[in-house]
Amino acid sequence: EPEVTQTPSHQVTQMGQEVILRCVPISNHLYFYWYRQILGQKVEFLVSFYNNEISEKSEIFDDQFSVERPDGSNFTLKIRSTKLEDSAMYFCASRRESRETQYFGPGTRLLVL
Amino acid sequence: AQTVTQSQPEMSVQEAETVTLSCTYDTSESNYYLFWYKQPPSRQMILVIRQEAYKQQNATENRFSVNFQKAAKSFSLKISDSQLGDTAMYFCAFMNQGGSEKLVFGKGTKLTVNP
Repeated sequence: EPEVTQTPSHQVTQMGQEVILRCVPISNHLYFYWYRQILGQKVEFLVSFYNNEISEKSEIFDDQFSVERPDGSNFTLKIRSTKLEDSAMYFCASRRESRETQYFGPGTRLLVL
Repeated sequence: AQTVTQSQPEMSVQEAETVTLSCTYDTSESNYYLFWYKQPPSRQMILVIRQEAYKQQNATENRFSVNFQKAAKSFSLKISDSQLGDTAMYFCAFMNQGGSEKLVFGKGTKLTVNP
């Protein structure tokens, strides 16, 4: 069964460094999402992406964040200058069509020191 | 803006018994979808069950079923014949039809199944 994959599974970085989190959505999916979960808290929406552009972003998704679909398969989240409070689990999700279920990747655990 | 409330931070149940997790939501929209996701200790988000708001019939997936009360904006999850592998965080989520169709999550209920 096709699944969403994410790399790396864990990343440790120093405050102020740039990180790129990578996702490979399910191949025939057209809608892509990033969510964040700070330890012990609920899952929060960051950004949605469709047709090579952002369709919605949350207030968390400030100028330090960017997303890109550099080729036909990858979907990346870049944090330009990480802060301590960016430490969280980051989930990528995708779906094929409108109104369909989103399927999540296994997440990337980011720790900013 | 939509909100999702899960009023039970933690619950426990004995193996083979039945447990119900509560979820309420607030929306002014009429076309939407509701989900329960399971997050085991691995922290993977796994879809448990999905309900379309326009359907009156409650969704069922094997041992998992929902009680969807649209007028009351309530969406509870019933787990029958609980198994040790059901131990996880359970998140209720709302998705509005149209726009980005992002998911809005509740804070979760930590379920422990005891042997």
